Amino acid sequence: DTGVSQDPRHKITKRGQNVTFRCDPISEHNRLYWYRQTLGQGPEFLTYFQNEAQLEKSRLLSDRFSAERPKGSFSTLEIQRTEQGDSAMYLCASSSRALYGYTFGSGTRLTVV
Amino acid sequence: QQQVKQSPQSLIVQKGGISIINCAYENTAFDYFPWYQQFPGKGPALLIAIRPDVSEKKEGRFTISFNKSAKQFSLHIMDSQPGDSATYFCAARGQKLVFGTGTRLLVSP
Repeated sequence: DTGVSQDPRHKITKRGQNVTFRCDPISEHNRLYWYRQTLGQGPEFLTYFQNEAQLEKSRLLSDRFSAERPKGSFSTLEIQRTEQGDSAMYLCASSSRALYGYTFGSGTRLTVV
Repeated sequence: QQQVKQSPQSLIVQKGGISIINCAYENTAFDYFPWYQQFPGKGPALLIAIRPDVSEKKEGRFTISFNKSAKQFSLHIMDSQPGDSATYFCAARGQKLVFGTGTRLLVSP
């Protein structure tokens, strides 16, 4: 069990640039979640995949955000035309149908300057 | 719309004391109530969890008390240690996990 891996750990980008984050879930987990966490707040749900199907998207996920999970393995989260308000920790988690708990990665901290 | 309310926002406890964090929820469809511990720069880590058909669950120094009728649950950390200093989040699961706003716990030596 190598855990959930996220890359990069930190990303600093200029406003208006596009960024892409990657998440590698635990291999036997078929469910993958993206959350966003701002300073002093709890994680907020963004979107959820079961295998390769994106089953739910939060209203927080504007048109500038897109997530994919090709072949039901790793997932990417892309933010286009970044804004300062996008600065946050982006967390990925995975779980299996048999488990109720989510295993989180260490997150990608995005800073938009 | 906050579905899980958590208190207090911060907590200072002396070493060896009991830390108590409370949460309340609204959605009776929630079927799983975990607590997560988060250290700075790290993702949340599952600490302990309970299902609504159980009133209490204990794992080592950590205990969840669950009151289904009141729609409340709490985390008790016995014999609190400086290494327990972290942010704690309660959560509730329906289609997905919904988190509380967190409690910053500081255990003083």
